Amino acid sequence: GAGVSQTPSNKVTEKGKYVELRCDPISGHTALYWYRQSLGQGPEFLIYFQGTGAADDSGLPNDRFFAVRPEGSVSTLKIQRTERGDSAVYLCASSPQRRTEAFFGQGTRLTVV
Amino acid sequence: GIQVEQSPPDLILQEGANSTLRCNFSDSVNNLQWFHQNPWGQLINLFYIPSGTKQNGRLSATTVATERYSLLYISSSQTTDSGVYFCAVDLMNYGGSQGNLIFGKGTKLSVKP
Repeated sequence: GAGVSQTPSNKVTEKGKYVELRCDPISGHTALYWYRQSLGQGPEFLIYFQGTGAADDSGLPNDRFFAVRPEGSVSTLKIQRTERGDSAVYLCASSPQRRTEAFFGQGTRLTVV
Repeated sequence: GIQVEQSPPDLILQEGANSTLRCNFSDSVNNLQWFHQNPWGQLINLFYIPSGTKQNGRLSATTVATERYSLLYISSSQTTDSGVYFCAVDLMNYGGSQGNLIFGKGTKLSVKP
């Protein structure tokens, strides 16, 4: 596709459940970022991939959050034992390489009930 | 301290009016981007502008890197310009930054017909 694609668009899950959020970056982009946006706030950085490796995971809030990018393209953000405070919009962005213009997907709205 | 500060936080305009949004940042930047977040949550790229001036139709932006601010100008505003405008920066000396963007809190613009 032409842009960054995220699935699902919306996800409602029960507290304590496990969820996976998927990001399909723009073809050829080596840099991939995950952000989280709470209501009324700007997006906040979670993790950065350069190729297959997580080059910077300093924004992950705790060890319930994990992300992978096994083939250097699609990435999956995984959240274990979800809590109500995890409810937010999760955004994925990609760029041709690090420190170049970033393009965002439409986000996944996660609601933990 | 605050890394990226946007003003004003809220702005209401009559259709046809002009406006200026401001973004102050705390350090030298590798990258600065302006985004428009539409009512569906999509972040739309407006400008990639670490320095200088760019124009795109009714929108233009200027970044004065030495004075650590950027301005977004909207002329002849339309109702479709409504939404939240975010400034995001990749600060040159921010910890181990790998190019992740730091967002301001945004300016919420409402254009009335």
